[in-house]
Amino acid sequence: DAMVIQNPRYQVTQFGKPVTLSCSQTLNHNVMYWYQQKSSQAPKLLFHYYDKDFNNEADTPDNFQSRRPNTSFCFLDIRSPGLGDAAMYLCATSRDHGSSYEQYFGPGTRLTVT
Amino acid sequence: GIQVEQSPPDLILQEGANSTLRCNFSDSVNNLQWFHQNPWGQLINLFYIPSGTKQNGRLSATTVATERYSLLYISSSQTTDSGVYFCAVGLSGANSKLTFGKGITLSVRP
Repeated sequence: DAMVIQNPRYQVTQFGKPVTLSCSQTLNHNVMYWYQQKSSQAPKLLFHYYDKDFNNEADTPDNFQSRRPNTSFCFLDIRSPGLGDAAMYLCATSRDHGSSYEQYFGPGTRLTVT
Repeated sequence: GIQVEQSPPDLILQEGANSTLRCNFSDSVNNLQWFHQNPWGQLINLFYIPSGTKQNGRLSATTVATERYSLLYISSSQTTDSGVYFCAVGLSGANSKLTFGKGITLSVRP
C-alpha cells in the first residue's frame, strides 16, 4: 500500500545533541510537510517543500532545518535540541493538482529531549 | 492567517449516542479535512471535504463553504471513537498548508 513512513517512531536525544528525523513516501506526491505537535495542542506547520522549493514558516526557529534530496525522502534536522523541542513530529504529503489537495500523514516521531 | 474554531472543546457520550462536531473557519479554502488522532498520535484521515456531503459508515460530514463551516456527524458511537478530532483547512498551490483547529476531545463511555 502507498504510504508515508517515518523513522524512528521514538527518538531520545540529549540537550544540545543534533538529531535527524526522516520521512519517506511511496505516494509520489510533490509536496512534503513537517508539523510539530506539542502535548495537548494542535499540529503546527514548521515548513514544507513544494517540489524542490523550500517554504519556511515565519515563526519556525532557526534551530530547525530540512532537506529533501529527492521526491521520496524528506529530513528534519534539529541542530541543538532544547527541552522545549520535545514533541511529536508529523510528516505529511500531498499532490497539488486541480481536483484534490488532501494531505496524508505519517505515524509521527515522538521526540524526547533529556 | 485563516482562523479555525472547533466546538465543543470536549464531549462525553454514552455508547450508542449520536453527536455533531462543528468547525468554523474565517476565510475561503480549497482544502478541508477531518482527522481522528488515535492514542498513538497518528492522524487518521476521516474526510477530505472542502464542500458538499460525504458518508463513510457511521460517520458523515457536511461542509457549507459559502457559510464557512463544516460538521462531522458520528452516529451510534462506540468506545473506539474516543480520541481527538481535528478539523484542518488550507489553500492550494505553493502556499498549500493546513491550519488546524484546537481539536475536540471525545470520550465515549460503555
